[in-house]
Amino acid sequence: GAGVSQSPSNKVTEKGKDVELRCDPISGHTALYWYRQSLGQGLEFLIYFQGNSAPDKSGLPSDRFSAERTGGSVSTLTIQRTQQEDSAVYLCASSLFQGKDTQYFGPGTRLTVL
Amino acid sequence: AQSVTQLGSHVSVSEGALVLLRCNYSSSVPPYLFWYVQYPNQGLQLLLKYTSAATLVKGINGFEAEFKKSETSFHLTKPSAHMSDAAEYFCAVTSNDYKLSFGAGTTVTVRA
Repeated sequence: GAGVSQSPSNKVTEKGKDVELRCDPISGHTALYWYRQSLGQGLEFLIYFQGNSAPDKSGLPSDRFSAERTGGSVSTLTIQRTQQEDSAVYLCASSLFQGKDTQYFGPGTRLTVL
Repeated sequence: AQSVTQLGSHVSVSEGALVLLRCNYSSSVPPYLFWYVQYPNQGLQLLLKYTSAATLVKGINGFEAEFKKSETSFHLTKPSAHMSDAAEYFCAVTSNDYKLSFGAGTTVTVRA
């Protein structure tokens, strides 16, 4: 079946602009996760959704970052007033349930802030 | 708190040789442990996971890992490297049921 998809695959933006990154999880997966992969910080957890609720937003780096999930499916990660340090690959993952179910990752969105 | 340490950021092996990637973890509760592989410009693909059943876990592409509680280790091995094994490998741990903590990654190159 279809895996996790993310769009766009690449995004180049200017400093100060807002960007939206989209994630389509595997159908039927109730849990959804966002991670960030950067050269300096490695792979970092950003936020976790169970259904449409986000019980853990502890990894969001600043209040410029927000995320939502609608219909228990698609999620959008929004970065306002982008900064150069936001440049990274943003990975989305989903799992069937919360708990220690396997997380399946999408191909990521490479964000470059000029 | 949970964390993972991967020893060696780069490993180079000859085709047909043993691949050994080291991972040590710390966790205050019994962990679940994972190995993921990332090919260039792709997402993470699960190789195998330990979930407190058998301590020797077999995964895809001929990889396996052994959970050793006394050593807090979960090393990944493959008896015979193939050119297609060239990739970056990440060890990850979770003990709070959802948040994966990743190691820094090990890049594997395979020499012909």
